[in-house]
Amino acid sequence: SQTIHQWPATLVQPVGSPLSLECTVEGTSNPNLYWYRQAAGRGLQLLFYSVGIGQISSEVPQNLSASRPQDRQFILSSKKLLLSDSGFYLCAWSPAGGWDEQYFGPGTRLTVT
Amino acid sequence: AQSVSQHNHHVILSEAASLELGCNYSYGGTVNLFWYVQYPGQHLQLLLKYFSGDPLVKGIKGFEAEFIKSKFSFNLRKPSVQWSDTAEYFCAVNVGLGYGGATNKLIFGTGTLLAVQP
Repeated sequence: SQTIHQWPATLVQPVGSPLSLECTVEGTSNPNLYWYRQAAGRGLQLLFYSVGIGQISSEVPQNLSASRPQDRQFILSSKKLLLSDSGFYLCAWSPAGGWDEQYFGPGTRLTVT
Repeated sequence: AQSVSQHNHHVILSEAASLELGCNYSYGGTVNLFWYVQYPGQHLQLLLKYFSGDPLVKGIKGFEAEFIKSKFSFNLRKPSVQWSDTAEYFCAVNVGLGYGGATNKLIFGTGTLLAVQP
């Protein structure tokens, strides 16, 4: 069966520091991968998606970037964090080539101080 | 732009009460529709989905939803809620991204926090 992992679970970082959040998927090949940010009362906002290695699309302009160095690895990064980057970040995957459901990871709670 | 509206932000019910959570979307093309649930401290997980066919779909834990195309709605229902249904519920619509082939983009509503009192 497929599983999705995210780490770290929680992170507290000072303003201006770099960020790296990692997401890995097991048990499937060539998945579509997604990064979302969840804010209270605002639902989930899609930040990035990827349909293959090295293929990244950004949905909203922001201080963050994403990379997909391996088929089942998706990384969310920032060179210098802002206070507004605080939030709950969710990684998700879905099977390629279809409109099926997405499967979500446990999330990372990021607090920028 | 596509959007999903959940009109009930916070709902409080007593056990055994009936539940209906509203969801409306704005998109004129083909859509797939989902309800996700996030129990306290747990992953976001799928409750039910509609792709085609019978507009009344049944999901896990006794939940069901009805797709009414003319109203652009996909309301979630449960005849009798339990304390364990306390969670946040998200409606989502899937529209194709068309990035080098079929893929999908989920647009989420803002969520409804359901609290069931024992």
